[in-house]
Amino acid sequence: DTGVSQDPRHKITKRGQNVTFRCDPISEHNRLYWYRQTLGQGPEFLTYFQNEAQLEKSRLLSDRFSAERPKGSFSTLEIQRTEQGDSAMYLCASSLFPEETQYFGPGTRLLVL
Amino acid sequence: AQTVTQSQPEMSVQEAETVTLSCTYDTSENNYYLFWYKQPPSRQMILVIRQEAYKQQNATENRFSVNFQKAAKSFSLKISDSQLGDTAMYFCAFMKRDSGNTPLVFGKGTRLSVIA
Repeated sequence: DTGVSQDPRHKITKRGQNVTFRCDPISEHNRLYWYRQTLGQGPEFLTYFQNEAQLEKSRLLSDRFSAERPKGSFSTLEIQRTEQGDSAMYLCASSLFPEETQYFGPGTRLLVL
Repeated sequence: AQTVTQSQPEMSVQEAETVTLSCTYDTSENNYYLFWYKQPPSRQMILVIRQEAYKQQNATENRFSVNFQKAAKSFSLKISDSQLGDTAMYFCAFMKRDSGNTPLVFGKGTRLSVIA
């Protein structure tokens, strides 16, 4: 069991550019979550999937954000037309529903200049 | 909506001593889970301990234990025999159990420093 992995670990981009992050959950985990964590804050929920179905999106997830989990395995989170306010750590977690424990990846730290 | 409050932004403890981190939450739900997660510097978040709301017995994991007071909506974490490796951000989190385990709601965290 290799744990949750995320790629890239760090991303620096210029305002207005698009970025895409990838998350590979623990094998056979059916649920995958995306959270955003800004400096000095706890993680905030963005969206989650059960298998390939996106079950819920937070109001934090503006129209510039889109997430997919096309085959129920890995997931991608894309941010279009990045803004400086998008600078944050983006965390992915997975779980084997109905078990409740979520396992987190190392995160992707985004800096928008 | 549920909220989680951690009123201690920073704490410090001497190695081998005991420290208690506070957490309160607000919910109208009756069936839920509570968690403590640890996030070491530049490392990923890991689960420390979890508590099911319908269980009256406080959860314990080695040196970590909780004091769960459901009526008071309080969920504190006690770390005994503190070790240098316990230095980290600690987050309290809530999950509603009905309707299929909702996403986690986190507090703002407590930064714990263990001093040699």
